[in-house]
Amino acid sequence: GDSVTQMEGPVTLSEEAFLTINCTYTATGYPSLFWYVQYPGEGLQLLLKATKADDKGSNKGFEATYRKETTSFHLEKGSVQVSDSAVYFCALRATGANSKLTFGKGITLSVRP
Amino acid sequence: EAGVAQSPRYKIIEKRQSVAFWCNPISGHATLYWYQQILGQGPKLLIQFQNNGVVDDSQLPKDRFSAERLKGVDSTLKIQPAKLEDSAVYLCASSSERAVYNEQFFGPGTRLTVL
Repeated sequence: GDSVTQMEGPVTLSEEAFLTINCTYTATGYPSLFWYVQYPGEGLQLLLKATKADDKGSNKGFEATYRKETTSFHLEKGSVQVSDSAVYFCALRATGANSKLTFGKGITLSVRP
Repeated sequence: EAGVAQSPRYKIIEKRQSVAFWCNPISGHATLYWYQQILGQGPKLLIQFQNNGVVDDSQLPKDRFSAERLKGVDSTLKIQPAKLEDSAVYLCASSSERAVYNEQFFGPGTRLTVL
């Protein structure tokens, strides 16, 4: 079945450091890929998405590129801020309208001033 | 536009008791999802409704969990009787077929603690 694997955490960085969070997936067909973020005390929010190979999703300075050859969707940000401290989830959605989301375990990012 | 509403936000019960969670999706969203998020794990789909019909309940423990969406709007998820391993955050999400990417919008969740 479909699955998503995220790098082990937690991750602690200093403000303005470069961020990479690794995500790889296993799925049949051509899934859509997502990064969701969960800020402390809040619900899950969509951060960015990509729906086909080589697409780059971007939002709030974060980027991720859909790499079908390596089945990866790594999240990057050039300069993190304290306000980026949150839990980040990689997810995929199988082909088909309103298919369910399959999530990775999530990784906690803490950014210190 | 109002988001997905859930209640209660927190619930503490003893094992073998019953509990119910309520979800009100975004207006006009035909698809509603219930996810279970155990601490340290990603959300896992329990059940998906399309209007008031069940699309996928393959991971719902049907011996103790039940869910309904009678009028195709609000939904209730029930656990009876609860076990210790049911301690988790229960997330409700909704989506619209009319949206370009069928984005799922999540509610704040209900944190259940079973003692």
